[in-house]
Amino acid sequence: QVQLQESGPGLVKPSETLSLTCTVSDASSSASSWSWIRQPPGKGLEWVGYLSYSGRATYNPSLKSRVTMSLDTSKSQFSLRLSSVTAADTAVYYCARVKSGGGVDFYYYMDVWGTGTAVTVSS
Amino acid sequence: QSMLTQPPSVSEAPRQRVTISCSGSSSNIGDNTVNWYQQVPGKAPKLLIYYDDLLASGVSDRFSGSKSGTSASLAISGLQSEDEADYYCAAWDDSLNGYVFGTGTKVTVL
Repeated sequence: QVQLQESGPGLVKPSETLSLTCTVSDASSSASSWSWIRQPPGKGLEWVGYLSYSGRATYNPSLKSRVTMSLDTSKSQFSLRLSSVTAADTAVYYCARVKSGGGVDFYYYMDVWGTGTAVTVSS
Repeated sequence: QSMLTQPPSVSEAPRQRVTISCSGSSSNIGDNTVNWYQQVPGKAPKLLIYYDDLLASGVSDRFSGSKSGTSASLAISGLQSEDEADYYCAAWDDSLNGYVFGTGTKVTVL
């Protein structure tokens, strides 16, 4: 079973850029697609974006102007960058593997999740 | 921003059955498949149901999913203390061109 592990700084200053990396345990997952999801303290889940196996990205419209996701298949890693952060970006950030496809009945779901990493935005 | 509405909480006695509703629209549930995730406090979410009613690998068959029109439901039968968790529905939204989660439902076993 593939495993995912998020890593990155736990504290980021306001207006700076949050950078996280997700390491995939199984190198054969290079044909998979990936997502980032976040969860503010005491709140629900929010989808941040999606990265296809080819490196094409789709972002949550509410974050689109600040988000960049990228893939490094040579390292079995993918990353998230969120610029100009504020306290509202404080959350636990999860990476996950995505299964998607279909035509008329489009399917999209996350079947494997990382354990999550907590990020606090504070000076 | 969530466009999928769930009841904030449901509770029931052990061995009973609970149902969690998820209300959406034609751009999400009405047009795409629904998934359900379980999140135990302090842990990462776990996929329970995908493609409306398919059980994820290793998930107990006490869990079942269904969908009708722009609404979906998750049922848990034979409720156990280990089922105490938050449950989220989710689906792709064509208008948003993104994935939306429900507001979440806390299940309490009395």
